[in-house]
Amino acid sequence: DAGVIQSPRHEVTEMGQEVTLRCKPISGHDYLFWYRQTMMRGLELLIYFNNNVPIDDSGMPEDRFSAKMPNASFSTLKIQPSEPRDSAVYFCASSLIWGTSGRSDTQYFGPGTRLTVL
Amino acid sequence: AQKITQTQPGMFVQEKEAVTLDCTYDTSDPSYGLFWYKQPSSGEMIFLIYQGSYDQQNATEGRYSLNFQKARKSANLVISASQLGDSAMYFCAMREANTGNQFYFGTGTSLTVIP
Repeated sequence: DAGVIQSPRHEVTEMGQEVTLRCKPISGHDYLFWYRQTMMRGLELLIYFNNNVPIDDSGMPEDRFSAKMPNASFSTLKIQPSEPRDSAVYFCASSLIWGTSGRSDTQYFGPGTRLTVL
Repeated sequence: AQKITQTQPGMFVQEKEAVTLDCTYDTSDPSYGLFWYKQPSSGEMIFLIYQGSYDQQNATEGRYSLNFQKARKSANLVISASQLGDSAMYFCAMREANTGNQFYFGTGTSLTVIP
């Protein structure tokens, strides 16, 4: 079975440009998560969805960040306008369920998108 | 207080030897799950092993096992017969059943396997 798919794998852009990161979760997983990883802050949860509905976006840094999940197999994370401090690795993850603390809560991560904003 | 603490920023192990990576956690929730992930230099996060708070036995997955000491609130990862491909960052994480929506990650331990 295919795992979580993310694109692009690498993105280099200039400050002020719009950036769109894409994610396809594992089929049948009801939960999708977006994370950001930096050396300074480690892994940070940005937002997560349940059945395509955003549940908790308290980790989204500011209004420049937005995320959508138009259907069960696709999600986007958009940064507009991008800034150098947005440079990080962005991960998408999915899980079968979320909230039981059982094994089915396991989050499976995509390969990540390494974003560099110049 | 930190929910997950990994006190070893870096570890070295000889190839074919066993190594233990430490993880302690802090929770008052009686129901929780503990997870270990591996992040090689290529960047992906790979799920390794899960331990539930009510599990009576330590989890094992191939060469990975979890030394779960509930009273001490520790969930150490043991890698047996280390291989060069085990060189990576290792993250411990926790999910509480009844409090919050977070998946708490530790800061990670960098493991280097020496040939």
